[in-house]
Amino acid sequence: AQSVTQPDIHITVSEGASLELRCNYSYGATPYLFWYVQSPGQGLQLLLKYFSGDTLVQGIKGFEAEFKRSQSSFNLRKPSVHWSDAAEYFCAVGRGFQKLVFGTGTRLLVSP
Amino acid sequence: NAGVTQTPKFQVLKTGQSMTLQCAQDMNHEYMSWYRQDPGMGLRLIHYSVGAGITDQGEVPNGYNVSRSTTEDFPLRLLSAAPSQTSVYFCASSKTGTEFDEQYFGPGTRLTVT
Repeated sequence: AQSVTQPDIHITVSEGASLELRCNYSYGATPYLFWYVQSPGQGLQLLLKYFSGDTLVQGIKGFEAEFKRSQSSFNLRKPSVHWSDAAEYFCAVGRGFQKLVFGTGTRLLVSP
Repeated sequence: NAGVTQTPKFQVLKTGQSMTLQCAQDMNHEYMSWYRQDPGMGLRLIHYSVGAGITDQGEVPNGYNVSRSTTEDFPLRLLSAAPSQTSVYFCASSKTGTEFDEQYFGPGTRLTVT
């Protein structure tokens, strides 16, 4: 069965420091991979997605993610974190017709 | 454009009560879906619809009913609320429902069943 693992429940990063959020997936075919962000009290917003082609994808708000098939990973990165990036981040894999399977999320805290 | 709207924002029910969570979108999207979000479990798909008059079950459909009489609205009905249905519920929509389309999420409804 398809699954997504986000091994870090919480991560604290200093403002201005770099960020990497981990995501590993289990999927039998070529995966469609997504990162969503959820700000407090809000719904989810798509940051970026990967379907095929270039394994480094750029998203909104300065985020990028790299697909590594050999490691079954799709880690999210940002070179310099801002206080407004504090939120919960979800990795998801698409398994046909919008049936997304979500990871359990990583809560990002940004310290001054 | 209001996007995807959900009402109410918060709701408390007693066990056995029924209620309907409302979801509407003004983007003329064909595909709509309902998810529940529980701590430590991510989002799980409850039901989805690929167009007016067509609905199907997702991963966790038991205890929930849906219908889609118009393109804009996709209400979720709890027939007899149970404490296990305490959760945050998100409605989402996308233009066609394929993996290539971005899903737009509503702000959520936080439901507590006592």
